[in-house]
Amino acid sequence: QKEVEQNSGPLSVPEGAIASLNCTYSDRGSQSFFWYRQYSGKSPELIMSIYSNGDKEDGRFTAQLNKASQYVSLLIRDSQPSDSATYLCVKMGGTSYGKLTFGQGTILTVHP
Amino acid sequence: DGGITQSPKYLFRKEGQNVTLSCEQNLNHDAMYWYRQDPGQGLRLIYYSQIVNDFQKGDIAEGYSVSREKKESFPLTVTSAQKNPTAFYLCASRITGGNTEAFFGQGTRLTVV
Repeated sequence: QKEVEQNSGPLSVPEGAIASLNCTYSDRGSQSFFWYRQYSGKSPELIMSIYSNGDKEDGRFTAQLNKASQYVSLLIRDSQPSDSATYLCVKMGGTSYGKLTFGQGTILTVHP
Repeated sequence: DGGITQSPKYLFRKEGQNVTLSCEQNLNHDAMYWYRQDPGQGLRLIYYSQIVNDFQKGDIAEGYSVSREKKESFPLTVTSAQKNPTAFYLCASRITGGNTEAFFGQGTRLTVV
């Protein structure tokens, strides 16, 4: 089982819709989770971080964490064409202290 | 300005040669990481270091080597033992302790010719 697994893409949504990105992880001891956005040929940039069960909102973005189900998600409301990118789910910690493990990424396309 | 600098941006290597990728940070971060990214793929961890003079293998360490002699520097050597070295290499750093995110350099694109 992969340490971090994201829902297979690509995901295509119309402008203004909600995009839902999902991620599961295998190490129950993992402590922190991050969502990064990466444009083609560029470095990843942080969108959200979440450490506690529940929801965390920042502008159009909401991250959700359920440690019992080992599930993390990212919702993007009012999706814009500029949101088109690859979204990377990341977990930190667990059995390997300080290890940052990325999922394979989900490509999101927001069409006008 | 504080940040992470990777050099060079583009690198070409002949088969059978070792090559070293540079990563320097002036953020005073303790932890540093090296990732490899292939087209259409996520980031795979090569090596990481939580403190000077100590580092751990990641998920794909074979054919790579690192050193951490200074806090601000974490060079990656791609050896001739790495059979498919052509990839985009990303270096990251973060503060250890707590739930802090990683910051990335601009990456080095390595091509074997």
